[in-house]
Parts: sequence; structure tokens; C-alpha cells
Amino acid sequence: DAMVIQNPRYQVTQFGKPVTLSCSQTLNHNVMYWYQQKSSQAPKLLFHYYDKDFNNEADTPDNFQSRRPNTSFCFLDIRSPGLGDTAMYLCATGTGQNTEAFFGQGTRLTVV
Amino acid sequence: GEDVEQSLFLSVREGDSSVINCTYTDSSSTYLYWYKQEPGAGLQLLTYIFSNMDMKQDQRLTVLLNKKDKHLSLRIADTQTGDSAIYFCAHGEGYQKVTFGTGTKLQVIP
Repeated sequence: DAMVIQNPRYQVTQFGKPVTLSCSQTLNHNVMYWYQQKSSQAPKLLFHYYDKDFNNEADTPDNFQSRRPNTSFCFLDIRSPGLGDTAMYLCATGTGQNTEAFFGQGTRLTVV
Repeated sequence: GEDVEQSLFLSVREGDSSVINCTYTDSSSTYLYWYKQEPGAGLQLLTYIFSNMDMKQDQRLTVLLNKKDKHLSLRIADTQTGDSAIYFCAHGEGYQKVTFGTGTKLQVIP
């Protein structure tokens, strides 16, 4: 059974049109991460939550935001997507006790 | 250069051993990882090694760590077609951040 579920799997959005990607987990993990993975590049951490504490990476663009309304769900909001935001977006969870991260299957976002 | 470097591509014949190499620059990392990504899927943790270890073996997988040279390798014995995937080397200090390499695409030829 999938433990970290991302929806949708594929998303096409227009340049400048806000888009929200969602992630849910059944693992009851404290930590949730959002990574951006562009083609043939390493996954790059955008931000993470430890419970409700939000931690933004220094180079995450300002138009990327996140919400975590409860333990199970986390959302990535892109306010004004640009063509350069076309990428795979990976959600992951962790216990905070060790550093193994459990990844979802990702959402492939295409900005046109 | 990149914080974590890997060669982009490796091709091996089924049944042979595969060795995927990685070099990193941050010597403070506590954990070093190997993740596997199959087409259209998320990343799956294969194995990890603590920075105070030199070697870890787990069934067909052997991880070697040379801290002096900041070099990590993953050996897959008796490589199978199901091992075809992209393999990511990564390192981390605590839960806050894991830094990934660019990945090595392993192609297994039947």
C-alpha cells in the first residue's frame, strides 16, 4: 500500500496560473519535505516541516509556498509558475529520529 | 563544482557486478545514502552507511566509504534487469537536509 501519496501524478498549467500540488501520508511522520527535480538533475530541497515548524531553504523562490494543515497532508503552492518551474516535484516524509526519507511517486508539472 | 558528483551512465551485462561511484565535498555528514529511482517513481532508499563505517553489506549490495578521499561506492552483485534504474548518492546531517547527487543511470543488458 502506498504510504506517501502525491496528487496529481501529472499536471499541466499555464504560465502565471497558480497551481497546488498535494501530498498525503499514512505513516504519521513528523517531517514532510518537498523536493524539486528538474530533468537529469539532483532532487533539490525546497522546504520541510517538522510538525508545524516550517523551514524554507535559502534559495527557494518566493513564489513557492507550502501549507501543512495537519500531520497527514502537505501542499505545495506555486503562485505564478514560470516555464522554468517545469519539473518533477517529490514529497517525502521522515520520522526525525533517523534520516531515512520515504518518497511519494512525484507530480510531474509542466508549465506551458 | 557540484556538492555530490556521480557519473551519469553505466551499462553492464546481466549477471555481472555493477559499481556506481560518488564523490562528495561535505565531510561533516553523518549519513551517506544510496537511493534508487525507477521510471515514473519516487526515490526508494536502498541502503545507508554511517560516516564512521568503512563498509556495509546487505545481500547483493556492498557500500564502501573512503572518508579520506570523500568517495562512496555501491556495488551490486549479480546485476539483474530489474536493477535498471537511476541511482542517487546522497548525504545528510540529521533530518534537516539531505543533499543528492545528479544520479547514475544503470542500464542492464540481458
